[in-house]
Amino acid sequence: RKEVEQDPGPFNVPEGATVAFNCTYSNSASQSFFWYRQDCRKEPKLLMSVYSSGNEDGRFTAQLNRASQYISLLIRDSKLSDSATYLCVVIAMDMGRRALTFGSGTRLQVQP
Amino acid sequence: DGGITQSPKYLFRKEGQNVTLSCEQNLNHDAMYWYRQDPGQGLRLIYYSQIVNDFQKGDIAEGYSVSREKKESFPLTVTSAQKNPTAFYLCASSVSGQVNYGYTFGSGTRLTVV
Repeated sequence: RKEVEQDPGPFNVPEGATVAFNCTYSNSASQSFFWYRQDCRKEPKLLMSVYSSGNEDGRFTAQLNRASQYISLLIRDSKLSDSATYLCVVIAMDMGRRALTFGSGTRLQVQP
Repeated sequence: DGGITQSPKYLFRKEGQNVTLSCEQNLNHDAMYWYRQDPGQGLRLIYYSQIVNDFQKGDIAEGYSVSREKKESFPLTVTSAQKNPTAFYLCASSVSGQVNYGYTFGSGTRLTVV
């Protein structure tokens, strides 16, 4: 089993739709969680952190479920510009070192 | 503006040749990392460094080497021992030892073996 798993997609949705991605992780000692966005042939860019209480940034909402060991990203009112690959990142501290594990990404294609 | 600069953007390597990828940051970050990304796959850690003059192997270090002589710089050499080097290489930096900070990535180097 992979340490961090994501549905690779692609998720093909029309503009204005609401779409949600999940990311499951296996290390129960994981401490921090992030969503990154990666456009085709570009570097990943930090989209948002994920907090236990859930957090919202405009049309984006991130949630963490520690009991079931998954994080989610909800995008409301999808725009064409949201088309990208979304990577989840899970961080644990391992003997003083930050151990980041990336998911393989979920591809979103928003269609007109 | 602070950031990470990777160069070159595209690099072509002949069989049996060593090549060096540059990564420079002016964010005053202690920790720097090299990742490799293959098409449709996630990022895999090659090497990382948490402090000057120290670095550690990641998950796929074979065929690669690094140095960390300055805080700002973390070059990666892809040696001839790396049998399948064609990939997208990403350098990143972060605040060392802080679990709540994400990474900042450079714009990447796309390496192709010809």
